[in-house]
Amino acid sequence: DIQMTQSPSSLSASIGDRVTITCRASESIGTHLNWYQQKPGKAPKLLIYAASILQTGVPARFSGSGSGTDFTLTITSLQPEDFATLYCQQSYTTPLTFGGGTKVESK
Amino acid sequence: EVQLVESGGGLVPPGGSLRLSCAASGFTVSSYWMYWVRQAPGKGLVWVSRINSDGTETDYADSVKGRFTISRDNAKNTLYVQMNSLRAEDTAVYYCARALVGSTRAPPFRYYNYMDVWGKGTTVTVSS
Repeated sequence: DIQMTQSPSSLSASIGDRVTITCRASESIGTHLNWYQQKPGKAPKLLIYAASILQTGVPARFSGSGSGTDFTLTITSLQPEDFATLYCQQSYTTPLTFGGGTKVESK
Repeated sequence: EVQLVESGGGLVPPGGSLRLSCAASGFTVSSYWMYWVRQAPGKGLVWVSRINSDGTETDYADSVKGRFTISRDNAKNTLYVQMNSLRAEDTAVYYCARALVGSTRAPPFRYYNYMDVWGKGTTVTVSS
């Protein structure tokens, strides 16, 4: 199975901060990488697919990059509604696997 | 409106069975890959199973293989997962999700497989 490792597991940030989260795959997955946001008690929401393509309706302050084994999600200016847990997920092969999550908290 | 609504969760003793349903509206389940994903209390997301758009392929996480069966009823536009021999570690919120699988038609040219519509989840608790 492909292991997905996210870092950090949590971070504290303020409104307006630039936030960067990394996701590393245990083997090369090309650009078969998706990012989801989940708020407490809610279903995950797709933010970015194929490593860097912004899902329709997602604010442009979210961006993704990377290929192979190393990926990054960036929020350029953190907004109040962005406090949540973020997950990366590889879709290269089954079993599909998720990273452990990065919880973005208010500083 | 495109929507997925799960049902069928509940409290079941170890070794018991449960069938979860996921009713779709606003789209046809038989036109999409469909997934089940679960989340144990306080834990992360874990993929459970998938069925492809024409129903010819199913796949399972090793942890549920041989115990869970994914299926769908096209007439009812509903996805199911039959869960047998349930264990305490199957306790989780179970989400169904629609997946889009294909390739982009404009740059950047990429293959994709992502879950774009999720239900709100149904809770399964396995306990005596």
